[in-house]
Amino acid sequence: GAVVSQHPSWVICKSGTSVKIECRSLDFQATTMFWYRQFPKKSLMLMATSNEGSKATYEQGVEKDKFLINHASLTLSTLTVTSAHPEDSSFYICSARFPGGAEAFFGQGTRLTVV
Amino acid sequence: AQSVTQPDIHITVSEGASLELRCNYSYGATPYLFWYVQSPGQGLQLLLKYFSGDTLVQGIKGFEAEFKRSQSSFNLRKPSVHWSDAAEYFCAVGFPSGGSYIPTFGRGTSLIVHP
Repeated sequence: GAVVSQHPSWVICKSGTSVKIECRSLDFQATTMFWYRQFPKKSLMLMATSNEGSKATYEQGVEKDKFLINHASLTLSTLTVTSAHPEDSSFYICSARFPGGAEAFFGQGTRLTVV
Repeated sequence: AQSVTQPDIHITVSEGASLELRCNYSYGATPYLFWYVQSPGQGLQLLLKYFSGDTLVQGIKGFEAEFKRSQSSFNLRKPSVHWSDAAEYFCAVGFPSGGSYIPTFGRGTSLIVHP
């Protein structure tokens, strides 16, 4: 089956530093990947849609300069949280989709804690 | 506007009892429909999906869902709940956007199972 791997699964960083989260499709090529943020006891909020080889499309209210998304290859998308602050602490989940497909496959998520 | 509604924030059932989780969507046509389950601190696992065809869909772990076009609903059911089913359940809808589909999530329903 389609497997999406996210790394790291948990990261703690100091306020003001940047942290990178990787999302890889292990056994398929994903032209489109999605990045979600999930607050405690809340639903998944779509942050951006990432297309291979082009700039990501950010949802309204998401700071593109703070949440840098790079989709450099068909199997890898990265989310970099720049100058992280405690309010950026959250659970970040990526998903990937087959070209032309409707079903998205999810990574296991990354717990970011900014101290 | 396109939207997904899960009207129940919490559902409490006794082990062995039947379960129904509600999901409604707002859209002019039939979107793609999904149910996911999320255990604490984990990613999302797909339970089942509906793209077209038979409106009663069988999924993993004994779950099923029925698409009712007239009610714009896609309710999840299980005849007998097990304690291990306690988790967060998300209904997701793939709305078409520019030739592709963007998964949009309901706010989730937390399932509590009493022994």
